[in-house]
Amino acid sequence: GESVGLHLPTLSVQEGDNSIINCAYSNSASDYFIWYKQESGKGPQFIIDIRSNMDKRQGQRVTVLLNKTVKHLSLQIAATQPGDSAVYFCAENIYSGNQFYFGTGTSLTVIP
Amino acid sequence: DTEVTQTPKHLVMGMTNKKSLKCEQHMGHRAMYWYKQKAKKPPELMFVYSYEKLSINESVPSRFSPECPNSSLLNLHLHALQPEDSALYLCASSQVPHSNEKLFFGSGTQLSVL
Repeated sequence: GESVGLHLPTLSVQEGDNSIINCAYSNSASDYFIWYKQESGKGPQFIIDIRSNMDKRQGQRVTVLLNKTVKHLSLQIAATQPGDSAVYFCAENIYSGNQFYFGTGTSLTVIP
Repeated sequence: DTEVTQTPKHLVMGMTNKKSLKCEQHMGHRAMYWYKQKAKKPPELMFVYSYEKLSINESVPSRFSPECPNSSLLNLHLHALQPEDSALYLCASSQVPHSNEKLFFGSGTQLSVL
């Protein structure tokens, strides 16, 4: 399943499928990006980050892709599990400053 | 210890009350942040402290007053709040100010203003 940028705030996928969550960022000066997962009643939890000098970074079951040309970021989750159900936010940092700004978020629901 | 601890977890206050939110981290981080999050919305940056000094104030109303007593503690003093200030208040920290380091978040204080 795939979300289309910030215009599709919900995404439902079958357990075991791959998920793709997209984020369009606005500032071409942003040089650092983070994906966070937020479960109900909890604070955002770090998933993976990427710096602007990279196009791709892989973690455990997650991959982040960065396309600076079109200012687009995506999070791919392999073999999605029910525990992955949460809201996912991208965050951008500008000029290596301390100002992290969050995107709208995508609510991911995994269907068992 | 990789935790950011926030207290209280829940707070209900009247519009004339004065209360404080507290945040603590023992990771040696020198940047600390306050974010406000309304339901089904992304966190919004309020304040940033770098080396215990206020470095960013995102035009937050003066009824919110931050304080950083030392490198491990961050407070948010609340006075004369409005019902629309009801939200989840999140504290975060990062290792080094003005560098590309991830934020660690606490679980937040759920604030209700009556």
